[in-house]
Amino acid sequence: DAGVTQSPTHLIKTRGQHVTLRCSPISGHKSVSWYQQVLGQGPQFIFQYYEKEERGRGNFPDRFSARQFPNYSSELNVNALLLGDSALYLCASSPAGGPNSPLHFGNGTRLTVT
Amino acid sequence: AQSVAQPEDQVNVAEGNPLTVKCTYSVSGNPYLFWYVQYPNRGLQFLLKYITGDNLVKGSYGFEAEFNKSQTSFHLKKPSALVSDSALYFCAVRDNRGAGNMLTFGGGTRLMVKP
Repeated sequence: DAGVTQSPTHLIKTRGQHVTLRCSPISGHKSVSWYQQVLGQGPQFIFQYYEKEERGRGNFPDRFSARQFPNYSSELNVNALLLGDSALYLCASSPAGGPNSPLHFGNGTRLTVT
Repeated sequence: AQSVAQPEDQVNVAEGNPLTVKCTYSVSGNPYLFWYVQYPNRGLQFLLKYITGDNLVKGSYGFEAEFNKSQTSFHLKKPSALVSDSALYFCAVRDNRGAGNMLTFGGGTRLMVKP
């Protein structure tokens, strides 16, 4: 079975632009989460969606938004990019949205903002 | 608010020797604790979790972790390290504020296993 797939794998954007990152969960998984991993740090939680509804939001500005589609895939959108948004963006899926479900991570999208 | 501390940026161990990667946590309520491993240019891979039950949790690739409630610790261990275990290891605790499975991660510990 395919794991969590993310696209694109790498992306270079300019300050002020917007970006859309995409994630396809493992088949049968209904929850998708997004994390930001700045170089040299642990991942930080951005959003969780379960059954197309937002279940949680981390401490990120409103420039960050996300949604989940009927097929459970997800998009993360970031507007008005800043240099500090440069990071590895990780998508994770789980069968359910509750606390006992370990996260299965994709390989991430490496975003560079210049 | 919950938090996770991994006090060592790097742990060096010789192949065949036992290894320990340290983690302490702070969370209200019962802790749900996890260990993940990250190889270069890859996402995180789940190793093991503690939800309830035995304090010694066994996971993937021969790793285990010991939950100690009084010391609020969840150290990762392996009896005999392999060179292929060299990677970045993250400890995480579930955020108890909501119904979801969002995690708070520590800053990571780089494990270097030398032949």
